[in-house]
Amino acid sequence: DAGVIQSPRHEVTEMGQEVTLRCKPISGHDYLFWYRQTMMRGLELLIYFNNNVPIDDSGMPEDRFSAKMPNASFSTLKIQPSEPRDSAVYFCASSWGQGVAEAFFGQGTRLTVV
Amino acid sequence: DQQVKQNSPSLSVQEGRISILNCDYTNSMFDYFLWYKKYPAEGPTFLISISSIKDKNEDGRFTVFLNKSAKHLSLHIVPSQPGDSAVYFCAALNYGGSQGNLIFGKGTKLSVKP
Repeated sequence: DAGVIQSPRHEVTEMGQEVTLRCKPISGHDYLFWYRQTMMRGLELLIYFNNNVPIDDSGMPEDRFSAKMPNASFSTLKIQPSEPRDSAVYFCASSWGQGVAEAFFGQGTRLTVV
Repeated sequence: DQQVKQNSPSLSVQEGRISILNCDYTNSMFDYFLWYKKYPAEGPTFLISISSIKDKNEDGRFTVFLNKSAKHLSLHIVPSQPGDSAVYFCAALNYGGSQGNLIFGKGTKLSVKP
């Protein structure tokens, strides 16, 4: 397996524009996580899914953020409208559901909102 | 309030010496702890973990120690190598709650000098 695949790797957008980040988890993993990394707050969990169902979205900063997982092999994180304070690295990760299993991370999407 | 704290943003160590990275947590419900390593422009990768029923877990040059009474864990790297230079994240999980409740610290940047 190629691991968790995220796209794009880098995104530069203007304030107010819609941004969509994409993630393909490792095949067979039934948990998918979206994290955001900033200098101030480190790695924050935004939302996670189990078997394509959102379980906890309490980390989503506000209504401008939304995430979907239409099937087991694809998830999106959307920001609409984007703001400069959304600039960060966004990571997607996936893991097995059986027992305690470490999460495998993608390479991240570096988002810059100008 | 941060539930997982890594109070040292950075650490510099000479090659061949021991690196000790520290982590404190506040939530007594955490029952599993993990360390991740992150190189620039890459996602975090799992390094080592420990269950709350243990006080030590060793894997090659890496050993994690857990002191539950002090709510403290540490990662020891012996001997340190230049390739160990990375950001190390401590993470904690309330497995009894949900697989998804993996909380990260802000990370410690380790520099190993030749």
